[in-house]
Amino acid sequence: AQTVTQSQPEMSVQEAETVTLSCTYDTSESDYYLFWYKQPPSRQMILVIRQEAYKQQNATENRFSVNFQKAAKSFSLKISDSQLGDAAMYFCAYSVYNQGGKLIFGQGTELSVKP
Amino acid sequence: DGGITQSPKYLFRKEGQNVTLSCEQNLNHDAMYWYRQDPGQGLRLIYYSQIVNDFQKGDIAEGYSVSREKKESFPLTVTSAQKNPTAFYLCASSQRYAAVQETQYFGPGTRLLVL
Repeated sequence: AQTVTQSQPEMSVQEAETVTLSCTYDTSESDYYLFWYKQPPSRQMILVIRQEAYKQQNATENRFSVNFQKAAKSFSLKISDSQLGDAAMYFCAYSVYNQGGKLIFGQGTELSVKP
Repeated sequence: DGGITQSPKYLFRKEGQNVTLSCEQNLNHDAMYWYRQDPGQGLRLIYYSQIVNDFQKGDIAEGYSVSREKKESFPLTVTSAQKNPTAFYLCASSQRYAAVQETQYFGPGTRLLVL
């Protein structure tokens, strides 16, 4: 079965500090894509970062970076210099191209940022 | 402004009633998706369409129906057969190119409540 597991239902970080959100997934495919989406209280899903499984280099997007360990099927998100606006629910997801592009989501990690 | 619009923002359904959620995109995307989000959970795929006049069932299609008569529109009908329709519904779209998995962009969502 294709599953995504986020083992941390809630996380907290001090403003300006760094936090890492964990994600593991299970798939037998070799060609897939991984995503982190952010869902603030408005409930709009916003793409944070994406990673192609065939690329060994970890993706970065400003203060956001990932640690992609393909053999371990691990895909963690690191947020540096945390800001109050980073407070949200974060979802890890992956998709397999030959399955219509559907996303398989984890259950989410709620991140709070303390001033 | 390019984007995805969903309407209404809130929708109330009576017992035995069918209701239709609207999703429109002006991004010229080929693929469109409907997801359901229950409290404290990630998103689950209901239906998706990769091209006009074609659509596929997702993981939880029972009690739902869709149509794709125009590229920019992908309405979702929640039928009376769906016994637990209370949830947050998100529509998404993406472009599709050969051998590339494009990112899905989401609309603002519709909250469906049962009276």
